[in-house]
Amino acid sequence: DSGVTQTPKHLITATGQRVTLRCSPRSGDLSVYWYQQSLDQGLQFLIQYYNGEERAKGNILERFSAQQFPDLHSELNLSSLELGDSALYFCASSFTPRVNEQFFGPGTRLTVL
Amino acid sequence: AQRVTQPEKLLSVFKGAPVELKCNYSYSGSPELFWYVQYSRQRLQLLLRHISRESIKGFTADLNKGETSFHLKKPFAQEEDSAMYYCALSGSGGSYIPTFGRGTSLIVHP
Repeated sequence: DSGVTQTPKHLITATGQRVTLRCSPRSGDLSVYWYQQSLDQGLQFLIQYYNGEERAKGNILERFSAQQFPDLHSELNLSSLELGDSALYFCASSFTPRVNEQFFGPGTRLTVL
Repeated sequence: AQRVTQPEKLLSVFKGAPVELKCNYSYSGSPELFWYVQYSRQRLQLLLRHISRESIKGFTADLNKGETSFHLKKPFAQEEDSAMYYCALSGSGGSYIPTFGRGTSLIVHP
């Protein structure tokens, strides 16, 4: 599959824990975006990386961090998890750093109990 | 601050009826506007963008800067159009932070 892949598909954990979500961009894409989708907030942009460098930052909590590795895959780290962090986390990728066309992954559903 | 408003959570029409999904935005500058669609059990995917001025699957959207709107239209809805539609905005002047609307669920009845 040359599209955007995300692992794991589902994650269930407890409050206070830390998790790592992984994203592999589409082949050839240099930019990765992370989004959080919850019922009450809709699709919220978290952070963007382009070729390993942070490009733009949205409403990302200090408890959350991300990075993009030399092979261009990205990881989103969520720590000190709270019940309200339960959401779908999407990754998207694009070739350029401009948000002209993003290709989305299937998402990771995080449930914090 | 940039904002995208989709006033309708749900839009229900019959097959063959015209469809208009509303999108209003707030942005101090020249925005780039997009419509994304998510069919059942599929990924979010780009439907169209205003700079392309194209028609995809019979859908069109015109950017109206005076009314700050980017409504999505289709003259004759089909059952396969049933999906979740998201309007999105990106700044074009150096800040490319994307902002999505909350989405409108379109249901087309046979």
